[in-house]
Amino acid sequence: ELKVEQNPLFLSMQEGKNYTIYCNYSTTSDRLYWYRQDPGKSLESLFVLLSNGAVKQEGRLMASLDTKARLSTLHITAAVHDLSATYFCAVERQGGSEKLVFGKGTKLTVNP
Amino acid sequence: ETGVTQSPTHLIKTRGQQVTLRCSSQSGHNTVSWYQQALGQGPQFIFQYYREEENGRGNFPPRFSGLQFPNYSSELNVNALELDDSALYLCASSYYRDGYEQYFGPGTRLTVT
Repeated sequence: ELKVEQNPLFLSMQEGKNYTIYCNYSTTSDRLYWYRQDPGKSLESLFVLLSNGAVKQEGRLMASLDTKARLSTLHITAAVHDLSATYFCAVERQGGSEKLVFGKGTKLTVNP
Repeated sequence: ETGVTQSPTHLIKTRGQQVTLRCSSQSGHNTVSWYQQALGQGPQFIFQYYREEENGRGNFPPRFSGLQFPNYSSELNVNALELDDSALYLCASSYYRDGYEQYFGPGTRLTVT
């Protein structure tokens, strides 16, 4: 059974600082997704990582995937308050078809 | 291009009742997946419909059922509601095997009292 673990679950950081969120998963998968969720809102797609070594960047966020280690990271550079949200990684079940298994999420709070 | 829409936005039901949630997929998409997100948790996969057929199911009891219509919109039905069914229900649409992009709707917040 595919399990996805994120850490930390809660992250409080100062504006301007850097930090990394980790996502580990238990069985082989070739696709990993990162989503952002604001309180009471739906999921916003941030990144789709399709292959080993994939790296994608958007603004202050950069995501990477190591399929051999079954690890993805979401790196935050020079955090700003607007990045405060809950971040989820999700892994597609083996065999594809876009059935996702989500981690529990990392609640990020960026303080002025 | 129309995004994924869901109705209703909020719903309050009593334990034992039945509920139907609706989802209109994004234009051109033929696959709809439903997820349940309990408070403070990540979404959990309920089931997926592809071209009107169920195409996989998560660990949810049979009282969770669904339909997909010829226009690819979808319904999620839950019978005999329990308190633990209180959650945000999300649907996501995609074009099956188009690669990788699922688009999530705004969700329906269900409260069971």
